Amino acid sequence: NAGVTQTPKFQVLKTGQSMTLQCAQDMNHNSMYWYRQDPGMGLRLIYYSASEGTTDKGEVPNGYNVSRLNKREFSLRLESAAPSQTSVYFCASTRQRGGIEQYFGPGTRLTVT
Amino acid sequence: SQQGEEDPQALSIQEGENATMNCSYKTSINNLQWYRQNSGRGLVHLILIRSNEREKHSGRLRVTLDTSKKSSSLLITASRAADTASYFCATDGANSKLTFGKGITLSVRP
Repeated sequence: NAGVTQTPKFQVLKTGQSMTLQCAQDMNHNSMYWYRQDPGMGLRLIYYSASEGTTDKGEVPNGYNVSRLNKREFSLRLESAAPSQTSVYFCASTRQRGGIEQYFGPGTRLTVT
Repeated sequence: SQQGEEDPQALSIQEGENATMNCSYKTSINNLQWYRQNSGRGLVHLILIRSNEREKHSGRLRVTLDTSKKSSSLLITASRAADTASYFCATDGANSKLTFGKGITLSVRP
């Protein structure tokens, strides 16, 4: 099993450009999450999907959209990138909402200039 | 907003010593988890302790939970250079979403 995979690993965008970060898991997990990690801030939840077909906002959703394409895939879209979105983005999954260990992808390092 | 706050922010010890890291939180929880993050990698789950448990062991890891003080500690015994990483506590509450602390950077000198 590959676990949680993310693409791309690195990306540089200009302000105003758009892009989609892809995440897939092969563990048949129900819940998936997108976090951003900034120095000194820990991980902050952007959006999550408790199950296929549902998505909810997390702590810092502004400037992002998500799609739970199917049970395996959960994508994060930046419609108009801003320098404040420079961060490392992690996707995670778990069998159920909270309470159980989350499995993390390797991360996408995004720089917006 | 951060639920868990780890302490200290950074810790440097000699190989073979024990490392103790603390986490405090603000609201009631169902359980508390500890994760490790090696440089440039994603987080890896280490151990989970439920709100009705006081202590749990896993290999060289020992975690305690004091719900009256809203605090937890992670002890790594006989540390190794490979334990060098950042460590995060994570709590889940009534909303069932995990909230992570800012992390502790542990350096183990060979």
